[in-house]
Amino acid sequence: EDQVTQSPEALRLQEGESSSLNCSYTVSGLRGLFWYRQDPGKGPEFLFTLYSAGEEKEKERLKATLTKKESFLHITAPKPEDSATYLCAVNNNAGNMLTFGGGTRLMVKP
Amino acid sequence: SQTIHQWPATLVQPVGSPLSLECTVEGTSNPNLYWYRQAAGRGLQLLFYSVGIGQISSEVPQNLSASRPQDRQFILSSKKLLLSDSGFYLCAWSVPGFSGNTIYFGEGSWLTVV
Repeated sequence: EDQVTQSPEALRLQEGESSSLNCSYTVSGLRGLFWYRQDPGKGPEFLFTLYSAGEEKEKERLKATLTKKESFLHITAPKPEDSATYLCAVNNNAGNMLTFGGGTRLMVKP
Repeated sequence: SQTIHQWPATLVQPVGSPLSLECTVEGTSNPNLYWYRQAAGRGLQLLFYSVGIGQISSEVPQNLSASRPQDRQFILSSKKLLLSDSGFYLCAWSVPGFSGNTIYFGEGSWLTVV
């Protein structure tokens, strides 16, 4: 059974204070690892898909990296508008469904 | 471009009443469709998914059901709601075999059962 664990559960940062969110996973044949951003009361917004170890993707202040056991979402010089819950998920080669982690709630204070 | 519409956005229903949430996807054909539930402070739970018209798979036994009467339409229903059915319901879609099966979500529907 695929498993995804995200840490920390909550993270408070000062504006400009860079940090990383962790997503540890076990999966029977990784098809893709996904990062989403979710604002309160809204559906998750797709950020990145990573397919193989060593891959990196960037979008504005966010950079996602992938190893064989975990993924990191690096946030460089965050701003208050980056405050949200960040979700990680994996898909295996066998099926159509994603397995989600519990999320990391990020709060960036001005 | 593809878009997903989900309604109603918010509803308050009494225990024992029926439920119907509707979702449509535009700009793609034969998508995989999904219903997720997110309870307060908890992760996403897959309820149903569909790979085609009339093809529904259930992931969690409950008093909810799903139907796919048209290629891009997905409906979540209940005949009699329970208090435990309260939560945030999300419809989602993906293109089979594309981009690792990346799933895209709608804006969600808040259901409060009273």
